[in-house]
Amino acid sequence: AQSVTQLGSHVSVSEGALVLLRCNYSSSVPPYLFWYVQYPNQGLQLLLKYTSAATLVKGINGFEAEFKKSETSFHLTKPSAHMSDAAEYFCAVGVGGNDKIIFGKGTRLHILP
Amino acid sequence: EPEVTQTPSHQVTQMGQEVILRCVPISNHLYFYWYRQILGQKVEFLVSFYNNEISEKSEIFDDQFSVERPDGSNFTLKIRSTKLEDSAMYFCASSGETGLAGSEQFFGPGTRLTVL
Repeated sequence: AQSVTQLGSHVSVSEGALVLLRCNYSSSVPPYLFWYVQYPNQGLQLLLKYTSAATLVKGINGFEAEFKKSETSFHLTKPSAHMSDAAEYFCAVGVGGNDKIIFGKGTRLHILP
Repeated sequence: EPEVTQTPSHQVTQMGQEVILRCVPISNHLYFYWYRQILGQKVEFLVSFYNNEISEKSEIFDDQFSVERPDGSNFTLKIRSTKLEDSAMYFCASSGETGLAGSEQFFGPGTRLTVL
């Protein structure tokens, strides 16, 4: 069965600092991995996805994530945080095709001025 | 840009009442989903729907739940007799890329259901 674990329900970084949101996955088959962002009172928006192509995936808004099979990780990073990055971020895993997506518990990112 | 819409944004109901949550997926999409998020918990899969039938459902999706695509545009989730524990944010999603692995699911803004 597939699952994801997000380390840290809340992360605070200063504006301009590196953002690092951690995600580890468990999957019995090659996974498809996603990061979604949820801004206040809005739906879930796809930031990026890994589908077994390049291990370093670039997404929107300057975010990227690296798939590391040896560490079963898919951490999300952004070199320089912006106030507008404050949101909840969800790591998720899919089996493939158009199957269900299994979400982590989410990490709320706070940006300090 | 096409988007998934959901109505209402907030629904308050009494325990035991029936509710219907409505979604309009992106028009050319083929796959439809419902997820829910209980306050403070993670987003959970409920059901997926393709070709006018359920393709997968979770343990949460018991006999009290049903889905329907009554016309060419709407996708509904019905809860027949609501319970307090049904209070959650319900997200509709759709995807359109037939058979492609890791297809992106586009999510609506959600309906917050409050059962009193």
